[in-house]
Amino acid sequence: DGGITQSPKYLFRKEGQNVTLSCEQNLNHDAMYWYRQDPGQGLRLIYYSQIVNDFQKGDIAEGYSVSREKKESFPLTVTSAQKNPTAFYLCASTEGSGPKNIQYFGAGTRLSVL
Amino acid sequence: AQKVTQAQTEISVVEKEDVTLDCVYETRDTTYYLFWYKQPPSGELVFLIRRNSFDEQNEISGRYSWNFQKSTSSFNFTITASQVVDSAVYFCALSGRNTGFQKLVFGTGTRLLVSP
Repeated sequence: DGGITQSPKYLFRKEGQNVTLSCEQNLNHDAMYWYRQDPGQGLRLIYYSQIVNDFQKGDIAEGYSVSREKKESFPLTVTSAQKNPTAFYLCASTEGSGPKNIQYFGAGTRLSVL
Repeated sequence: AQKVTQAQTEISVVEKEDVTLDCVYETRDTTYYLFWYKQPPSGELVFLIRRNSFDEQNEISGRYSWNFQKSTSSFNFTITASQVVDSAVYFCALSGRNTGFQKLVFGTGTRLLVSP
């Protein structure tokens, strides 16, 4: 079955630690996205990538980093510089990069601070 | 600037009631797309519908229907004869032609609770 797999489902971060969230898709989609969701809020874009080896900052990129070395993978690192990392993180992908493309989402990773 | 407003934070209904979720948007684009997503308790966002700005026909899919009105910048979602499985958070989202990529602007969501 084609889809987007995010792992782990739950993640705990200690003070000063970097953690990496995994996102893998087998839809052969070109573009991938990372969103952050806080309680009672909509989704906010962290980073996006339209092609391999290229990515752009979204609205709230500070304290996060990404890589796109393979088409199917778009990992997100939450660095120690992100002072309020507790949130639900969602990865998405689209076949193309235009505004009409439908974003398909993974099941998310819930990150908490110990 | 693009903005999506979902004024209803939470709606509670009893099974079999009809319910309408409101979505009002703002954009300066002449070509844009509107979306609805469902987020069940599991967390994954599930795509429900996409509508482009040139297509104002209402759409019906089973118990779901959507009313798009450009005159009032609204794209409302109605569930007929609601069921417990409809309990979820529903998001309305907007993408514009001039962003250069598929950037979705989300509303804050409406939590729907359907009780038996």
